[in-house]
Amino acid sequence: GESVGLHLPTLSVQEGDNSIINCAYSNSASDYFIWYKQESGKGPQFIIDIRSNMDKRQGQRVTVLLNKTVKHLSLQIAATQPGDSAVYFCAENGQKQAGTALIFGKGTTLSVSS
Amino acid sequence: GAVVSQHPSWVICKSGTSVKIECRSLDFQATTMFWYRQFPKQSLMLMATSNEGSKATYEQGVEKDKFLINHASLTLSTLTVTSAHPEDSSFYICSARQGTKLFFGSGTQLSVL
Repeated sequence: GESVGLHLPTLSVQEGDNSIINCAYSNSASDYFIWYKQESGKGPQFIIDIRSNMDKRQGQRVTVLLNKTVKHLSLQIAATQPGDSAVYFCAENGQKQAGTALIFGKGTTLSVSS
Repeated sequence: GAVVSQHPSWVICKSGTSVKIECRSLDFQATTMFWYRQFPKQSLMLMATSNEGSKATYEQGVEKDKFLINHASLTLSTLTVTSAHPEDSSFYICSARQGTKLFFGSGTQLSVL
């Protein structure tokens, strides 16, 4: 698999590899974080979320890790597939109440080659 | 998940005209909706928070007289770009809150000639 320590605008992986996309958030008051996938010309699609009282949450083929000490969030995609190619955004709520407006981070474009 | 419908998906208009974009929550009621703007290869930037039955709350730097928001019912919010200019060309995306989760529309690509 391929991982990045700091945010990179693009990530290229081979089909079947594991992908790790990183995100640094800015607001220490944020207690709710979400990863979204956005395909070209479409709106963001919810992938997985995590609250600040957790440091790890798993979904189907995806895992989100939260490190509040360094304000870092990562998305791990197992066995990456060509259909995973998209732009991935992390988002934070910036406040204590989940469901309020989200603040989006810089996206990472994931390209999966067969 | 909940479905948010946004219409139209794309629109081309002449400079100086106004364009209305609709955002509907199809299977749930949304007292709060959000409007975002996205330029090519950039992130989503929050423009305003739309509250049913009250005035919208605009983010700093967003002209409320330029971007009119109306949230007249629990399932519909509209964004009207008034006197559109080429620099208003962008991808506009709405989202609606259901419980603690936000769901997004499919976006509207606005091109102003």
